[in-house]
Amino acid sequence: EDKVVQSPLSLVVHEGDTVTLNCSYEVTNFRSLLWYKQEKKAPTFLFMLTSSGIEKKSGRLSSILDKKELFSILNITATQTGDSAVYLCAVPYGQNFVFGPGTRLSVLP
Amino acid sequence: EAQVTQNPRYLITVTGKKLTVTCSQNMNHEYMSWYRQDPGLGLRQIYYSMNVEVTDKGDVPEGYKVSRKEKRNFPLILESPSPNQTSLYFCASSTWGQADYGYTFGSGTRLTVV
Repeated sequence: EDKVVQSPLSLVVHEGDTVTLNCSYEVTNFRSLLWYKQEKKAPTFLFMLTSSGIEKKSGRLSSILDKKELFSILNITATQTGDSAVYLCAVPYGQNFVFGPGTRLSVLP
Repeated sequence: EAQVTQNPRYLITVTGKKLTVTCSQNMNHEYMSWYRQDPGLGLRQIYYSMNVEVTDKGDVPEGYKVSRKEKRNFPLILESPSPNQTSLYFCASSTWGQADYGYTFGSGTRLTVV
């Protein structure tokens, strides 16, 4: 059965800290892995990763994929209170996605 | 503005009373999908549609119906809602064959069935 696991499920940090969110997957015919940020509404797209070892970066956020070990990490440096959200990892299969349960990040001032 | 519009945003209803959650997208996307999100379970697909008049079950279709009579609209129908359908629902769309690049999600509908 295809599945996506995220850890930790919940994380509380202070502004300025650096965090690493983990996503591991077991999916047949892997094509890509996507990260979303969900605040109090719809998930918004962050990154799509298809190749191992190539870092995607957007401001203070970065992500990398390891296709051999079947995982990805999402790093956020110098966290801000606006980074507080649920971060979702998703892997497509067919025209569907398997979503992980999400990591709830709370950044305290 | 390119978007997926869901209505209503919030809905409280009673067991057994039929309801429809509407979804409309203005991006001419072929592919549309409904998800429900529950704590600890992530997003789970209910139904999807690859184009007009083409729909199929996702992972948790029981108790739901959909229709796709027009490309832009993909309503979710609960014929006889039950409390276990209390959840946060998202409609999403993407270009056919481009789902790997991610969905555009609607803003969500929080449904409570009492």
